[in-house]
Amino acid sequence: AQKVTQAQTEISVVEKEDVTLDCVYETRDTTYYLFWYKQPPSGELVFLIRRNSFDEQNEISGRYSWNFQKSTSSFNFTITASQVVDSAVYFCALSEAVNTGRRALTFGSGTRLQVQP
Amino acid sequence: NAGVTQTPKFQVLKTGQSMTLQCAQDMNHEYMSWYRQDPGMGLRLIHYSVGAGITDQGEVPNGYNVSRSTTEDFPLRLLSAAPSQTSVYFCASSLTGNEQYFGPGTRLTVT
Repeated sequence: AQKVTQAQTEISVVEKEDVTLDCVYETRDTTYYLFWYKQPPSGELVFLIRRNSFDEQNEISGRYSWNFQKSTSSFNFTITASQVVDSAVYFCALSEAVNTGRRALTFGSGTRLQVQP
Repeated sequence: NAGVTQTPKFQVLKTGQSMTLQCAQDMNHEYMSWYRQDPGMGLRLIHYSVGAGITDQGEVPNGYNVSRSTTEDFPLRLLSAAPSQTSVYFCASSLTGNEQYFGPGTRLTVT
């Protein structure tokens, strides 16, 4: 069975601080995808990134960066110089086996990030 | 493109009532799914469909029915609402089944 663990329930930082959101996953599949979604106070789910299990290269997009380490089954998300607009709940998710029809996402329980001005 | 649309945005039901949550997408995606979001639990899969005429159960299917008569629509039916079904419901669609696009959600309260 697949599992995604986001051990940090809530994080509070002051604006301009860097913050890292942790994600640890479990799967028996050799091919899978990992995702991060953002859920702002308005409630919608915003796709941030998808990472293929064969691609361990870290990715940077503006103030966001992602560190994928297969050896530790982790896919951590760092926000540099946080801003108040980053306040949201962030979900890490894992796809099911790509060779099955199900292809659903298994979500972590989310990390609520509060950025104080 | 409107993307994934859901109606209604909010709904209050009494225990035992039935209703249908609507979901539509205009991206010609084969894969559609329904999730529910409860506090502290992330999103859990209720039902999914890999194409018109094909549906299957997810992690928490009890109390819900789905059908997929067209590629665009994937309604979720609550047969006899229970307070335990109070939740936020998200519909999602995907071209490949991996990167999923979510609708805005329906907040359902069952009293």
